[in-house]
Parts: sequence; structure tokens; C-alpha cells
Amino acid sequence: GNSVTQMEGPVTLSEEAFLTINCTYTATGYPSLFWYVQYPGEGLQLLLKATKADDKGSNKGFEATYRKETTSFHLEKGSVQVSDSAVYFCALLFNDYKLSFGAGTTVTVRA
Amino acid sequence: DTGVSQNPRHKITKRGQNVTFRCDPISEHNRLYWYRQTLGQGPEFLTYFQNEAQLEKSRLLSDRFSAERPKGSFSTLEIQRTEQGDSAMYLCASSARLQSTDTQYFGPGTRLTVL
Repeated sequence: GNSVTQMEGPVTLSEEAFLTINCTYTATGYPSLFWYVQYPGEGLQLLLKATKADDKGSNKGFEATYRKETTSFHLEKGSVQVSDSAVYFCALLFNDYKLSFGAGTTVTVRA
Repeated sequence: DTGVSQNPRHKITKRGQNVTFRCDPISEHNRLYWYRQTLGQGPEFLTYFQNEAQLEKSRLLSDRFSAERPKGSFSTLEIQRTEQGDSAMYLCASSARLQSTDTQYFGPGTRLTVL
């Protein structure tokens, strides 16, 4: 089936540390891939996306590259801030309209 | 900028009661989706509308659940004879099929607690 598996949390980091959250997918065809973020007390927000192999999505200092050969879409940020504390969800879009989400990774950044 | 809105934000009900949630999508978005999110999990797809037509229902949606989107604008999700297992966050999203890939924009959700 079409699904994503993402790194389990929680992840706790110090400010300015490097963040990586692993995400791998299983899909038929070539789905679009997304990272959504859920800040405390808020709804899901799109963080970045990539629609084809080797595409790199980027936003707010976060990056993720669509790797077909490893079926991965890992999220990275070079220097995290306290304000990056949130739950991060990897997702793939299949059948043109259906999002399949990972379980989410909780990230806490300490000052 | 008006995003997706959902009402109510919180609903507490007793088992066996009926509840109805409303979603107002971003203006001119022709696609509307419902998802359910339980604690510690990612959202799961429930159903999808293109304009007023409901094009798919997940097997997660038992016959106690019904969704409508009259006139292709707002949508309602009704749960009849609620059960404790229905307790979850119900998320609505909308999108516009303008490019080859849809981007879904989510509302804040309605948190349902069934006692």
C-alpha cells in the first residue's frame, strides 16, 4: 500500500543544533511528498513539499530532498530555534487527492 | 487571508448522542477533505468532496458517519449514536486543483470527547 514511516520521537535538542527527521515511503508510482508541522495549540501547517524525484523543498530554514533511489524524504534544519518545537508529520499524496501521514515526530528545542 | 475554519472547536457529548461538525473551506477551493486524528497518530483520511460530489469514503467511516457538502461550499460531518471510540480530533482540509499537485490546507480541527 501507500504509506510513510517516520522516525519515532520524541527528539530533544539544544538551540542551534542540527535536526534530522527520517522519513521513508512505500508507494506505487511517484507520489508527491510533504512535511506538515503542528505547533502547540495550532492546526496542521504545510512546511514544504516536493513533487518529483530529486526535487528539494525548502521553507523557514528546513529542507527535504525527494530521493527515489532510497524512497526517502528526510527533513533537515541546520540550526534549530526554540520556536521550532512542534510535531512534524511526513505525508505522501496518492490517487491525486489522498494524504497518507506518518505517526509524527515530536521535537523539543531547549534554550 | 481567510483559512479553513471549523466549528465547534471542542465538543463533549455523551455516548449515544448525535453530533455535527461544520467546515468552511478556503473560498473557491473546490476540493474538501475530512480526516481523523487520534492521540499520538497522524491524520487518517475519511472522505473527500469535489464540489458537491462525495467521491470517496474510507472504510473507517461506518454507517454512523455521514458527510455532506451542499452547493459545494461548506461541509458538515455528522456522527450518529456516538461511541467512546469516536473520540478524536476531526480535521477538515481544502484545496484547489490549479496545478498538477494539490496542496491541502488544514483547519484547526474539532476535538470530540465522548463520555
